[in-house]
Amino acid sequence: DAGVIQSPRHEVTEMGQEVTLRCKPISGHDYLFWYRQTMMRGLELLIYFNNNVPIDDSGMPEDRFSAKMPNASFSTLKIQPSEPRDSAVYFCASSLAAGGIYEQYFGPGTRLTVT
Amino acid sequence: GQNIDQPTEMTATEGAIVQINCTYQTSGFNGLFWYQQHAGEAPTFLSYNVLDGLEEKGRFSSFLSRSKGYSYLLLKELQMKDSASYLCAVESNYQLIWGAGTKLIIKP
Repeated sequence: DAGVIQSPRHEVTEMGQEVTLRCKPISGHDYLFWYRQTMMRGLELLIYFNNNVPIDDSGMPEDRFSAKMPNASFSTLKIQPSEPRDSAVYFCASSLAAGGIYEQYFGPGTRLTVT
Repeated sequence: GQNIDQPTEMTATEGAIVQINCTYQTSGFNGLFWYQQHAGEAPTFLSYNVLDGLEEKGRFSSFLSRSKGYSYLLLKELQMKDSASYLCAVESNYQLIWGAGTKLIIKP
């Protein structure tokens, strides 16, 4: 398996622009997680899906952030409008199940810079 | 509230042993994970503990004491490639609560 795939790997955009991050989880994994990582705040869970349904989006910072999972093999995280404080590495991860010994497999991340 | 504490940074010598501690206070507990993250890369799974005691996996071991809210990751025979951040994460209500990570620097 190719692992979790994310695109783009790097994104540089100007404040106010819309940004869309993409993720393809490992085939057969029922759970998908979106994280944000910064030096100041570490790794933060933004939202997670189970069988394409959003389960907990309490980590989404504000209404500018939205996430969708239209099918089992694709998810997007959208920021509109983007702000400089959104600059971070965004990781997508997937797992067979939540709970227990089911480790999360992370994608390579998208490094977002908002100027 | 949810709180996971790890030292920010540690330094050790190649070939030596190092212990990275993690203490936690969470509203629920279904297990504790350790992940390794090299600079510029994604976290990768190292170990999982749900019962008290020591789990050994090659050069790496992880210990858990649920009553004390405490875990440690033990790395033996350190190699330069072990230079990375080590993240402690507690599973609570089907989510992982992450520590800030410990940056481990290995010196020759």
